Amino acid sequence: QQQVKQSPQSLIVQKGGISIINCAYENTAFDYFPWYQQFPGKGPALLIAIRPDVSEKKEGRFTISFNKSAKQFSLHIMDSQPGDSATYFCAASDNYGQNFVFGPGTRLSVLP
Amino acid sequence: KAGVTQTPRYLIKTRGQQVTLSCSPISGHRSVSWYQQTPGQGLQFLFEYFSETQRNKGNFPGRFSGRQFSNSRSEMNVSTLELGDSALYLCASSFLAGGSKFFGPGTRLTVL
Repeated sequence: QQQVKQSPQSLIVQKGGISIINCAYENTAFDYFPWYQQFPGKGPALLIAIRPDVSEKKEGRFTISFNKSAKQFSLHIMDSQPGDSATYFCAASDNYGQNFVFGPGTRLSVLP
Repeated sequence: KAGVTQTPRYLIKTRGQQVTLSCSPISGHRSVSWYQQTPGQGLQFLFEYFSETQRNKGNFPGRFSGRQFSNSRSEMNVSTLELGDSALYLCASSFLAGGSKFFGPGTRLTVL
């Protein structure tokens, strides 16, 4: 129940295309859902985050879609660029911070 | 504001030795979490400290230990190093326990 499932494991997208990464959770106590971007040799960087009171949050080319009833959330990268090639981690946390769980990660490659 | 800093950035040790890694959180952050990341693997949670107290501990052997000081700086120690301990060790700080985590660049540990 503490896990966050993430798919796909790897993703190849052409430049200009849309990259979509999906995550699912079971713990209904989770109420904070961030996404992290990690480049090789670097620490993960907080990219965008959402709370369950909204169904969508957009920041530039990055959008989180959240489906509370299905317990799923996804990251959409519009107009994907080669510079977006990185590993993306979704995560979930509860209000009391007792659980902060990361998904296994998705390696995104954007072809020029 | 300065980000999370980790020292050293790179470390080479031999089997059986012990190692201490250091993490300085973002100013004002009181929570520090440690993660192990091996090639192609996700983020494996080691432990979390908040106000000098360990709040959570992951599923790692007792050779892995940590502590947090009154200025929120944290150290983790690995004793009797094994080849499998070679990894990128990441530290993340947050203002509140379980809140948005901000990662440092990591310490790359190589055990020969």
